[in-house]
Amino acid sequence: GESVGLHLPTLSVQEGDNSIINCAYSNSASDYFIWYKQESGKGPQFIIDIRSNMDKRQGQRVTVLLNKTVKHLSLQIAATQPGDSAVYFCAALTQNRDDKIIFGKGTRLHILP
Amino acid sequence: DAGITQSPRHKVTETGTPVTLRCHQTENHRYMYWYRQDPGHGLRLIHYSYGVKDTDKGEVSDGYSVSRSKTEDFLLTLESATSSQTSVYFCATWEGYNEQFFGPGTRLTVL
Repeated sequence: GESVGLHLPTLSVQEGDNSIINCAYSNSASDYFIWYKQESGKGPQFIIDIRSNMDKRQGQRVTVLLNKTVKHLSLQIAATQPGDSAVYFCAALTQNRDDKIIFGKGTRLHILP
Repeated sequence: DAGITQSPRHKVTETGTPVTLRCHQTENHRYMYWYRQDPGHGLRLIHYSYGVKDTDKGEVSDGYSVSRSKTEDFLLTLESATSSQTSVYFCATWEGYNEQFFGPGTRLTVL
């Protein structure tokens, strides 16, 4: 079946360094991807999205890269701050097919002082 | 916040009892989703709706049913709760190539 997965369950990064969180998806027809941040005790919060007709999209301190050839996307966080400590999820959607938004398992980002 | 509420926020029930969780939105979004979140499994899709009275199964739909009689409400029912359904349940709404908004979650414990 369709799956979305993250490569690492935990990532530790020094404060001030850049963080890169990776994600792979299985359905080559997926055409919309979303990154979420979830802090303890809260629901997931939208960070950034990208459609399959793009390979890069930038937001405030975040960049998402999409490689459709290998079905891989990544979230880059610049100058990681203590407030970035959370679990990050990627999600994929195949629009106009079934509109399911399927999530990966998540990567917990630890910020080291 | 996007105006998504979930009720109840916490519930403890016994095995075999029926449970209904409610998701209410004020955004008039077409799509609504129910997920469960468990340690080591991330968010798994239970059921979703793409319009009033239009619903479909997700990854882990066994033991759950849903109903959507109006745009703003999406109900998740556990007909006969089991301990394996102890989880945190999140509702989400979406309106196409845009941000998916999540509710605050419902923590359900089945004893």
